[in-house]
Amino acid sequence: AQSVTQPDIHITVSEGASLELRCNYSYGATPYLFWYVQSPGQGLQLLLKYFSGDTLVQGIKGFEAEFKRSQSSFNLRKPSVHWSDAAEYFCAVGMNDMRFGAGTRLTVKP
Amino acid sequence: NAGVTQTPKFRILKIGQSMTLQCAQDMNHNYMYWYRQDPGMGLKLIYYSVGAGITDKGEVPNGYNVSRSTTEDFPLRLELAAPSQTSVYFCASSYGEWGVEDSPLHFGNGTRLTVT
Repeated sequence: AQSVTQPDIHITVSEGASLELRCNYSYGATPYLFWYVQSPGQGLQLLLKYFSGDTLVQGIKGFEAEFKRSQSSFNLRKPSVHWSDAAEYFCAVGMNDMRFGAGTRLTVKP
Repeated sequence: NAGVTQTPKFRILKIGQSMTLQCAQDMNHNYMYWYRQDPGMGLKLIYYSVGAGITDKGEVPNGYNVSRSTTEDFPLRLELAAPSQTSVYFCASSYGEWGVEDSPLHFGNGTRLTVT
């Protein structure tokens, strides 16, 4: 069955530390891959997307993600987290529809 | 530059009442979607529309209805509200299908609905 998994429900990092949020998918073929961010009380905003080509994609706000076909993963990274990055992050995959993972809530410690 | 506008922001319903969640977009997008968001569950697709007059069911359509009489508007109707419909509802739109290629999903700010 097609699925998107974000293994970490909640992650806490210190400001200035690096960040990696995990995303795994289970699809028959490589789907379109996305990361969205949701600030409190807001809708979702697209951070970055992967369709094909270079497996390391750059997004807004200093985020990047790497597609690894062998691991069916699309992990989101940021070298140095800012307090304003505290939010909920959703991985999503698009094939015949758009499915979202359950989300990872990021808390940033001062 | 409004984007996707949802009204109301909050609503409390009694069991059995009905209501319509409004969604309007001003980007001339063909594709519109309704999602519900429950804690720890991510977003689940309720209904979607590929253009005026065309709608289709998503993953969790039971208890909801939609219509798409214009490109701009995509209201979601709850006929007999149930506690299981307590959720945050998001409307989204995109130029291309499912937000792929160069057309990401644009989301509204959500409607928080409580059914008691």
